[in-house]
Amino acid sequence: AQKITQTQPGMFVQEKEAVTLDCTYDTSDQSYGLFWYKQPSSGEMIFLIYQGSYDEQNATEGRYSLNFQKARKSANLVISASQLGDSAMYFCAMLGSSNTGKLIFGQGTTLQVKP
Amino acid sequence: NAGVTQTPKFRILKIGQSMTLQCAQDMNHNYMYWYRQDPGMGLKLIYYSVGAGITDKGEVPNGYNVSRSTTEDFPLRLELAAPSQTSVYFCASSYGDRGYNSPLHFGNGTRLTVT
Repeated sequence: AQKITQTQPGMFVQEKEAVTLDCTYDTSDQSYGLFWYKQPSSGEMIFLIYQGSYDEQNATEGRYSLNFQKARKSANLVISASQLGDSAMYFCAMLGSSNTGKLIFGQGTTLQVKP
Repeated sequence: NAGVTQTPKFRILKIGQSMTLQCAQDMNHNYMYWYRQDPGMGLKLIYYSVGAGITDKGEVPNGYNVSRSTTEDFPLRLELAAPSQTSVYFCASSYGDRGYNSPLHFGNGTRLTVT
């Protein structure tokens, strides 16, 4: 069975500082993808970044980067230069080659950026 | 290009009533999904479809039904609503047949309250 674990229910960060949101996963698939979504208070789900299991380099998208450590089965999201608009809930999710496109989500981490 | 459109945005049902949540996508995605999100929690898969005429159960299908007569539409039917179905419902779609590197695109959600 596949599982995503986010152990930080809530995080605080000072504006303009960097923050790391933790995500560990468990899967027996050799091929899989890891995703991060942002859910602001307005409720929509916004796709942020993707990392494939065979990608040798960590994914980056603007201020977002994914610290992928395959041996540790971790896929932490790093947000650099935090902004007030980054305050939201963040979900780590996984698609495996065996699960027919069913995205499995973690419990989420609420990030609050302080001015 | 509207993406994934869900209607209604809000609905209040009485116990025992029925309703259909509508979902349409215009991205020609083969895969479509219904998730529910309870307060402070991650998303749980209710049903999914890998193409017109094909549907399958997810993690929490009880109390729901779906149909997929066209590529674009994937309605979710609630029969005999119960308070436990109070939740936010998200429809999503993806190029799931392209494998595990296809992010899901989400609608804006339907907030349902059953009293």
